[in-house]
Amino acid sequence: GAVVSQHPSWVICKSGTSVKIECRSLDFQATTMFWYRQFPKQSLMLMATSNEGSKATYEQGVEKDKFLINHASLTLSTLTVTSAHPEDSSFYICSARDHVASGDPGELFFGEGSRLTVL
Amino acid sequence: GQNIDQPTEMTATEGAIVQINCTYQTSGFNGLFWYQQHAGEAPTFLSYNVLDGLEEKGRFSSFLSRSKGYSYLLLKELQMKDSASYLCAVLDSNYQLIWGAGTKLIIKP
Repeated sequence: GAVVSQHPSWVICKSGTSVKIECRSLDFQATTMFWYRQFPKQSLMLMATSNEGSKATYEQGVEKDKFLINHASLTLSTLTVTSAHPEDSSFYICSARDHVASGDPGELFFGEGSRLTVL
Repeated sequence: GQNIDQPTEMTATEGAIVQINCTYQTSGFNGLFWYQQHAGEAPTFLSYNVLDGLEEKGRFSSFLSRSKGYSYLLLKELQMKDSASYLCAVLDSNYQLIWGAGTKLIIKP
């Protein structure tokens, strides 16, 4: 199947700093990528849909000025958590659809996830 | 509103069979997915159903009844490595994935 790579896997930062997480589709082009957040023992929560070459679409309740998304190419989307605080500590996961190769309309390929801890 | 229900936690014995149910109420339907997620890892794809009936894939099978808004994931010959959370997700009319909260499956020797 298609491969999505996410970096970094782990990040620890001080409160007030910004953290950038990268999501790359390694063997396919992804015009759309999705960013999720998952708190312990909870399901995935869609934060935003990242569209190549245009602004991201944020879900209700997600601050777009705090969670900056850039999808500058067909293989790379970045999520920047600005002025991070301890309550932002979570597991952030990106995913993408390979529309060309996948027979399914919606099979998602997930990155490995990035665990953010804000001290 | 859109809603997906699945049990929070289930326990089963190694070598046995377990069925994880999922019921959904969504605006439109373009398929139902099951994903497996081990603790601290990203979800991995297990199955996709868009037509009624049973899809079998090795030890795992997934069933769908669109008229009942119901699906189940059947795991046979359980192994310890099957201990994980199993997420049910429905693709709605806008092709948005609606996620269930997941079922934590605990396998005991």
